[in-house]
Amino acid sequence: AQTVTQSQPEMSVQEAETVTLSCTYDTSESDYYLFWYKQPPSRQMILVIRQEAYKQQNATENRFSVNFQKAAKSFSLKISDSQLGDAAMYFCAYRREAQKLVFGQGTRLTINP
Amino acid sequence: GAVVSQHPSRVICKSGTSVKIECRSLDFQATTMFWYRQFPKQSLMLMATSNEGSKATYEQGVEKDKFLINHASLTLSTLTVTSAHPEDSSFYICSASPGPYEQYFGPGTRLTVT
Repeated sequence: AQTVTQSQPEMSVQEAETVTLSCTYDTSESDYYLFWYKQPPSRQMILVIRQEAYKQQNATENRFSVNFQKAAKSFSLKISDSQLGDAAMYFCAYRREAQKLVFGQGTRLTINP
Repeated sequence: GAVVSQHPSRVICKSGTSVKIECRSLDFQATTMFWYRQFPKQSLMLMATSNEGSKATYEQGVEKDKFLINHASLTLSTLTVTSAHPEDSSFYICSASPGPYEQYFGPGTRLTVT
């Protein structure tokens, strides 16, 4: 079974600085999707970024980018120019068969003004 | 676009009663909907997958007779917690998928069983 591990329960960063959240996963599949979701205090899950495993190029969405290392099964999220609104729980997720998502334990990100 | 609603947002029920939670895709048709459960300060755990017009498929360890799922139309799925007990208290989140790639989440329902 696929597993997703986020080893950082909490992270903090100064506003305007850069922070990287770690995620590793385990799978025997060669083609799959990985996601980062953000869950603010409202509890609404928001898609931050998506990466297709067959693409070697790392995905980027404005201030958010990933470092996808397929051989190492690592999928970290870099947030540049951190803003107060980035404070949230961040979940890494692996997409199983039939679009089912397996989530990591989450990392609580605090932004210090 | 791609809005998913859940109703109610909060519900309190007495032990032994049943409670129904609705999940609606407001501006798209969802061929597949998913139900997740999230305990405080924990991750989301997939409970079941529902496809319109067919029976839901449940993840291992999820009691299908306790958590009844109905996907009556391409825009509506319901989760009924039957004979609820305090240990069923949790945050329930649905998501809906219009196709093979994207999945959109509802705002969640907080269930408290007293």
